[in-house]
Amino acid sequence: DVKVTQSSRYLVKRTGEKVFLECVQDMDHENMFWYRQDPGLGLRLIYFSYDVKMKEKGDIPEGYSVSREKKERFSLILESASTNQTSMYLCASALAGALRDTQYFGPGTRLTVL
Amino acid sequence: AQKVTQAQTEISVVEKEDVTLDCVYETRDTTYYLFWYKQPPSGELVFLIRRNSFDEQNEISGRYSWNFQKSTSSFNFTITASQVVDSAVYFCALSEAQTGANNLFFGTGTRLTVIP
Repeated sequence: DVKVTQSSRYLVKRTGEKVFLECVQDMDHENMFWYRQDPGLGLRLIYFSYDVKMKEKGDIPEGYSVSREKKERFSLILESASTNQTSMYLCASALAGALRDTQYFGPGTRLTVL
Repeated sequence: AQKVTQAQTEISVVEKEDVTLDCVYETRDTTYYLFWYKQPPSGELVFLIRRNSFDEQNEISGRYSWNFQKSTSSFNFTITASQVVDSAVYFCALSEAQTGANNLFFGTGTRLTVIP
């Protein structure tokens, strides 16, 4: 079974803080993704990575950065958290190749920025 | 333009009723993939099914069935004899072969509540 874990289920931070969200997958997947989920908006892609040290912007990268130093780990960084970044953050991973579009998700991190 | 439309925001049914969740998609690609995911209250999105654009056969898995119709660009999901454990938000998603960037386009989800 694919297992994707995220470092925290719930997180409360203050405006201006630097925030790290960690995601780890144990299935040797090449591709990893960060989404945010907001009511009425569904899931929106922030960043994705198709290899170590490689990253691509998604639909809403502003205010975020990412890091992928190891294949199994993909970090989302909020350099200076703002209240409009209060959201549910979901990490996903997928194989490369023919099944690259089947993504497996972690449990999510509900971030509140005060 | 929204690539995946789930017009039903919320649905409530009584246990044991059948329920169909609608999904309409839009793409110009001839090769694409459609998905359904379930998000229970715990928050994790659970993969349910992947269907490619060349396979219009309906699929059944236990109480779940999916109806793919290219003519109407729809990929609807039916739960037969619903149970309380089916209560969740369900997302339909589309992946286009041309995108190449492993991008899944999600609908906004349908919240299903099964009342005991």
